[in-house]
Amino acid sequence: DTEVTQTPKHLVMGMTNKKSLKCEQHMGHRAMYWYKQKAKKPPELMFVYSYEKLSINESVPSRFSPECPNSSLLNLHLHALQPEDSALYLCASSQEGTEANYGYTFGSGTRLTVV
Amino acid sequence: GQNIDQPTEMTATEGAIVQINCTYQTSGFNGLFWYQQHAGEAPTFLSYNVLDGLEEKGRFSSFLSRSKGYSYLLLKELQMKDSASYLCAVRTGANNLFFGTGTRLTVIP
Repeated sequence: DTEVTQTPKHLVMGMTNKKSLKCEQHMGHRAMYWYKQKAKKPPELMFVYSYEKLSINESVPSRFSPECPNSSLLNLHLHALQPEDSALYLCASSQEGTEANYGYTFGSGTRLTVV
Repeated sequence: GQNIDQPTEMTATEGAIVQINCTYQTSGFNGLFWYQQHAGEAPTFLSYNVLDGLEEKGRFSSFLSRSKGYSYLLLKELQMKDSASYLCAVRTGANNLFFGTGTRLTVIP
């Protein structure tokens, strides 16, 4: 299995809703990432998990809450989002640290619309 | 902050060669990646450089000069399917991968 699977593919939520994005990989990668990508812009790093521990939080608002239940799963819990949070949310995984010479594998993303 | 700059848009002709440049100023350097992204799809890995010099993979080559904070991606024998965004990304530590501004390449007949 050489894929990163993200669900759902599309999500529409209201500003008072609580929802979660899910990401799964079975490549034995020990680093997992959340990126946010607005239209015609590059992906922006949000969170990095290394060995199931949060190692980087790029000053992301608390309405985004990541969780890594085990080495194969990564969630992003959403609460009280704003319309400007509408974007493509990409999950990625890689081998740990300097072993990641062959790139990070990205999922196909969840397209989130906040109404 | 991290500054990773690329030209916004480029146009090239089918069958030609195109070079996409990337300059970076980052807090640390632990490798440079190039990704291709078609509209609405996930980025896909193209190449990786950590030492100075040229890495060749089929129609794609990537060059790195760490002293100049500069890289380029060279695409040969352009095909229509190469129309996409090309993203330069720098890893600054063990796991932090930051993307550049991206270059939208349009290949015309």
